[in-house]
Amino acid sequence: ELKVEQNPLFLSMQEGKNYTIYCNYSTTSDRLYWYRQDPGKSLESLFVLLSNGAVKQEGRLMASLDTKARLSTLHITAAVHDLSATYFCAVTGETSGSRLTFGEGTQLTVNP
Amino acid sequence: DGGITQSPKYLFRKEGQNVTLSCEQNLNHDAMYWYRQDPGQGLRLIYYSQIVNDFQKGDIAEGYSVSREKKESFPLTVTSAQKNPTAFYLCASSPPRRTEAFFGQGTRLTVV
Repeated sequence: ELKVEQNPLFLSMQEGKNYTIYCNYSTTSDRLYWYRQDPGKSLESLFVLLSNGAVKQEGRLMASLDTKARLSTLHITAAVHDLSATYFCAVTGETSGSRLTFGEGTQLTVNP
Repeated sequence: DGGITQSPKYLFRKEGQNVTLSCEQNLNHDAMYWYRQDPGQGLRLIYYSQIVNDFQKGDIAEGYSVSREKKESFPLTVTSAQKNPTAFYLCASSPPRRTEAFFGQGTRLTVV
């Protein structure tokens, strides 16, 4: 059974600071996704990581994937208030098609 | 514009009633999915369908039913057997070859 764990689950940080969210998964996966969710809204796709060593960056967010360690990170650089949201990682298994298994989410609050 | 439309946005159900959530897509995607999200948690898979007239149970199918009579439509019925239906329901679709899933805007179901 594919399991996904994120940590931390809650993160409160000051504007301008850096931090990393971690996503571990339990079995071999062929792709990993990061999503953002604002309160009461649907999911917004941030990154899709397909291979070991993949790194993608968009603005103040950078995601990386280490398939050997079954670990992905979402690094936040110089946080701003607009980044406050819940961030989810999700994976697809090699035999699960596009069925996603989600982590519990990291609720990020960026304080002025 | 192409996309996934869920309706209604908000839905209220009395105890013992069945309700049906609509999901329509015009992306010509073969696969469609229903996920449930409880407060402070990640998404869990209810049902999925990879082709018309075929669907499979996900991790939490008890108390739910679906149909897939048309490629564009994948309605979810929350039956009276679902004891705790209050949640946020998200529909998704994906094209072949296990690429990314696209999400609708969600339906918030509340039992009154």
